[in-house]
Amino acid sequence: AQKITQTQPGMFVQEKEAVTLDCTYDTSDPSYGLFWYKQPSSGEMIFLIYQGSYDQQNATEGRYSLNFQKARKSANLVISASQLGDSAMYFCAMREGIHHNQGGKLIFGQGTELSVKP
Amino acid sequence: NAGVTQTPKFQVLKTGQSMTLQCAQDMNHNSMYWYRQDPGMGLRLIYYSASEGTTDKGEVPNGYNVSRLNKREFSLRLESAAPSQTSVYFCASSPTDENEQFFGPGTRLTVL
Repeated sequence: AQKITQTQPGMFVQEKEAVTLDCTYDTSDPSYGLFWYKQPSSGEMIFLIYQGSYDQQNATEGRYSLNFQKARKSANLVISASQLGDSAMYFCAMREGIHHNQGGKLIFGQGTELSVKP
Repeated sequence: NAGVTQTPKFQVLKTGQSMTLQCAQDMNHNSMYWYRQDPGMGLRLIYYSASEGTTDKGEVPNGYNVSRLNKREFSLRLESAAPSQTSVYFCASSPTDENEQFFGPGTRLTVL
C-alpha cells in the first residue's frame, strides 16, 4: 500500500493566487513527521516545511503553510501569493518512528508539478 | 560551509562496470542517506547510516553497497552496473532523525 499519496500529477495556478497541493499518508505509528520538499528544474531538493504528528498547530514558514488534518491523514501544502519562481515539482514525505532512533528514513510521494502562470 | 557535496555530477557507465559515488557533509550531522530518483517518481531510499559506524538497507538496496567512512563521508558503490540503475542519485544528511534532511545536488548516472 502507498504510504504517501499525491493525487495531483500537475497543477496550474495564476501568479499571486494561493494554491493547495494535496498529500495523504498512511501509517499506524503514532509518532511521525511530515515534510514538503521543492525540486526546481535545476534538480536540487529544497526543504520547505515540517509538521510533527504531535504538533498542536499547523506549521507555517513564510508563504508556505501545512494544513494538517490528523484524523483524515492529510498534510496539504498551501502556498500563498504564488510567484513565478514557485514553478517546480513538490514532494510530500513522511518519516515514521520519530524519537525511536530509526535513522530518519524518508518515504516520498510521487510529486506534484506546479506551474505558475503570469 | 558547502553543505552536502556529491561527486561526480554526471557519469556514464557500461553494463558490468563498477563505480563509487562519493558524498560528504560538513555540517557535523550524524545521519546520512542515499536515495535514487527515477523519472516521474519520488525519491526511494537505497541505504542509510543513522550514525558513524552503522549502515542499514532502505527500500531498494539490491545491487548497491555503502561505506560510512567517517562522520563526514558516506559512499555508494555499484559493483556491476545494470541499465536498471540508470537514475539520479541523491545523498542527504540530517543532525538527528528528528530533523529535516539536507540534500546534495545529485549525480546523474546512465548505464548503457
